[in-house]
Amino acid sequence: GESVGLHLPTLSVQEGDNSIINCAYSNSASDYFIWYKQESGKGPQFIIDIRSNMDKRQGQRVTVLLNKTVKHLSLQIAATQPGDSAVYFCAEHIWGTDSWGKLQFGAGTQVVVTP
Amino acid sequence: IAGITQAPTSQILAAGRRMTLRCTQDMRHNAMYWYRQDLGLGLRLIHYSNTAGTTGKGEVPDGYSVSRANTDDFPLTLASAVPSQTSVYFCASRKGQGTEAFFGQGTRLTVV
Repeated sequence: GESVGLHLPTLSVQEGDNSIINCAYSNSASDYFIWYKQESGKGPQFIIDIRSNMDKRQGQRVTVLLNKTVKHLSLQIAATQPGDSAVYFCAEHIWGTDSWGKLQFGAGTQVVVTP
Repeated sequence: IAGITQAPTSQILAAGRRMTLRCTQDMRHNAMYWYRQDLGLGLRLIHYSNTAGTTGKGEVPDGYSVSRANTDDFPLTLASAVPSQTSVYFCASRKGQGTEAFFGQGTRLTVV
């Protein structure tokens, strides 16, 4: 979900369980969505993307679900591992006044994997 | 190794000083971006460039300027740094419309 104040929402997950990270996006005209993972001290890394003509896409251990009716995006991580501990961001592609559009990011969710 | 490189990795800067953060990519991506990241506020777009020779303003452009003389380089300049510009700065690039952005490792800037 989105953050409030100066603290990121935190999802604590036991190793081996499935994680679900949620994101609400702002623009009903957005047509492309991306999930990024950011480990401490590093730049965001691409995980998976989905276009608005789809409602589900699967990758390796990850699934993204898109619900355009309620403008909601989720990332599911199967069998969460310690290496999955990171901040996860969703991004939506918003069209502006030029032909390229821009990526707008959510505030992020901190995922902590416990043994 | 192809990718996007930022320099410096970190910097402590006196208020009022001028500073240029460097960003270079070797992926021949058309579009490049500068974001700042502050806890709880996510990544906010400062400036962008869709192609060499063009630039545009993002959400938080004040106090920053950019140039895009060629495809590979996209420097960000703080003309006169202020403490509120203390942040982690990320450069990103992408090939075209509807594609993901690739990020550099970031520059941690502290203005004192």
